[in-house]
Amino acid sequence: DSGVTQTPKHLITATGQRVTLRCSPRSGDLSVYWYQQSLDQGLQFLIQYYNGEERAKGNILERFSAQQFPDLHSELNLSSLELGDSALYFCASSVALAGPYEQYFGPGTRLTVT
Amino acid sequence: SQKIEQNSEALNIQEGKTATLTCNYTNYSPAYLQWYRQDPGRGPVFLLLIRENEKEKRKERLKVTFDTTLKQSLFHITASQPADSATYLCGGEDSWGKLQFGAGTQVVVTP
Repeated sequence: DSGVTQTPKHLITATGQRVTLRCSPRSGDLSVYWYQQSLDQGLQFLIQYYNGEERAKGNILERFSAQQFPDLHSELNLSSLELGDSALYFCASSVALAGPYEQYFGPGTRLTVT
Repeated sequence: SQKIEQNSEALNIQEGKTATLTCNYTNYSPAYLQWYRQDPGRGPVFLLLIRENEKEKRKERLKVTFDTTLKQSLFHITASQPADSATYLCGGEDSWGKLQFGAGTQVVVTP
């Protein structure tokens, strides 16, 4: 158990809809990362928050947004969903903003868009 | 563009042998590399981290090397066991401090 929790575990929704994925980082970790993993793309970095502020962005679509709340939990919002958004979404946390610190991954949310 | 590349072909190996996985990086010089293990449908789990000024790191049956001249890291699993079967991900810190992952190499250890 990494100490990172994600809800829900599975999500099935239709194209055009909007969903929210939730993540609670490991106790004491200030950084939260979101990743997307699909069969053909591997683990792709989406966005990082540190202590409530957005700090780094990857190839995140404009239809996707995230935020980190004062209690450090984070939410990833996916809107106008397309079939291609079906993937595993992982949240990870780390103690620091950057540097050689391991990331602790949650169990993931499997999103299926039909 | 900055890339981390791992051998996409699955590595099939007999129990007791050493599995060697390759991670190559191009167009950047990561300050450190991290290796993770991922089981199907689960989140990656951290295994080892090696800094650019370190040649080799070990942890139990695992060994990782970092060759900045070849722009390559090798990950070794010695005395492999069926329980080592998983996908192994290599990640390198890019210019913006983000961890960029390779596609992963699947290892299958047969008894």
